[in-house]
Amino acid sequence: DVVLTQTPPTLLATIGQSVSISCRSSQSLLHSNGNTYLNWLLQRTGQSPQPLIYLVSKLESGVPNRFSGSGSGTDFTLKISGVEAEDLGVYYCMQFTHYPLTFGSGTKLEIK
Amino acid sequence: QIQLVQSGPELKKPGESVKISCKASGYTFTDYAMNWVKQAPGNGLKWMGWINTQTGKPTYADDFKQRFVFSLETSASTAYLQINNLNIEDTATYFCTRGTGDYWGQGVMVTVSS
Repeated sequence: DVVLTQTPPTLLATIGQSVSISCRSSQSLLHSNGNTYLNWLLQRTGQSPQPLIYLVSKLESGVPNRFSGSGSGTDFTLKISGVEAEDLGVYYCMQFTHYPLTFGSGTKLEIK
Repeated sequence: QIQLVQSGPELKKPGESVKISCKASGYTFTDYAMNWVKQAPGNGLKWMGWINTQTGKPTYADDFKQRFVFSLETSASTAYLQINNLNIEDTATYFCTRGTGDYWGQGVMVTVSS
């Protein structure tokens, strides 16, 4: 199975600060069809995961543009440019290039 | 708008079965696969498998091949997850999620306790 390693496990940020979360894959996530199926999700406490980014860098509808995704192959990054209070929660990367679909272990964003 | 609405929380005893539902609306149900995801208390997300909503064929992840059953009621745009012979380790929130994870149900908390 593909292992997604997220760092850091916990992130402490002030409002307005820019932060990045890393997601490293044990295998390349480039599919034979040319797509890279790497998504980012945010799970707020007591809620279901909310999709933020798909195909590495495409923003889901309604997601603020302070969120951005980048990367290729095995290394991916989620950046939040100017953290807001509503951004706290646990961020997960997930891949479905390879079966089984797998998730990263999560990064908890806390606000100072 | 697109929604996945799941059934309510369940409290079960070890050895019992549970069947939870995921009702889709706002899109053509058979256009997208349905995945099931488990989240044990305080833990991360684990993919359980998926069901092809056109054929009804389920595919289970390795850890979910024995007591877990995915099914459909296509006329009602509803997917089901049944867990048989429940044990304490099945205590978790179970989510349905469409296709590539672009829409998620609100989750169903299943508690298994004697």
